[in-house]
Amino acid sequence: DAKTTQPTSMDCAEGRAANLPCNHSTISGNEYVYWYRQIHSQGPQYIIHGLKNNETNEMASLIITEDRKSSTLILPHATLRDTAVYYCIVRSFSSNTGKLIFGQGTTLQVKP
Amino acid sequence: GAGVSQSPSNKVTEKGKDVELRCDPISGHTALYWYRQSLGQGLEFLIYFQGNSAPDKSGLPSDRFSAERTGGSVSTLTIQRTQQEDSAVYLCASSLNFGVGTDTQYFGPGTRLTVL
Repeated sequence: DAKTTQPTSMDCAEGRAANLPCNHSTISGNEYVYWYRQIHSQGPQYIIHGLKNNETNEMASLIITEDRKSSTLILPHATLRDTAVYYCIVRSFSSNTGKLIFGQGTTLQVKP
Repeated sequence: GAGVSQSPSNKVTEKGKDVELRCDPISGHTALYWYRQSLGQGLEFLIYFQGNSAPDKSGLPSDRFSAERTGGSVSTLTIQRTQQEDSAVYLCASSLNFGVGTDTQYFGPGTRLTVL
């Protein structure tokens, strides 16, 4: 599975949009981009995933560049409860396992 | 509906003892995964079940670690002769049916294992 690169940490003001970037320059055509987050002392929580089109759900939006080499997770109105580690994961569906390979993620701190 | 549940939530054991960690996946989910997260480390894949079989055991760190799944539902992760480096949070996840379109893994709250 392709490797991802994320900034180690980011800050965001409460009520503002949080834009979390992810670089996956070696992504291949059958690989999806997944985002999870982990709030302190909890299990990871699924946020959103996409292949090549932009996606939106009740939690966030996912913007994938046309060449698919990078993506951005957008939390439109960040709250203090969005403080967490955010993981960008690229996952292939041609492999024989569904395992997720987590990197170090981005620690997002939402400040009042 | 009910999510993935794990028990116990916390387990303290002495070095050399065996421990069993339990995972109850979301009802109807055929795929089940075990991960672990050591202090200050990222999440590390251990094993994947599809039904009762385990096509991928590549993440099990040693032969002291084993896992089984019965009835296509509950799974037990067993660690024999525990060592201090086994101290970690052990996380379980389940998904509806890997291989059929995209599937999403839903995680439980984890079991925090401390080996003294």
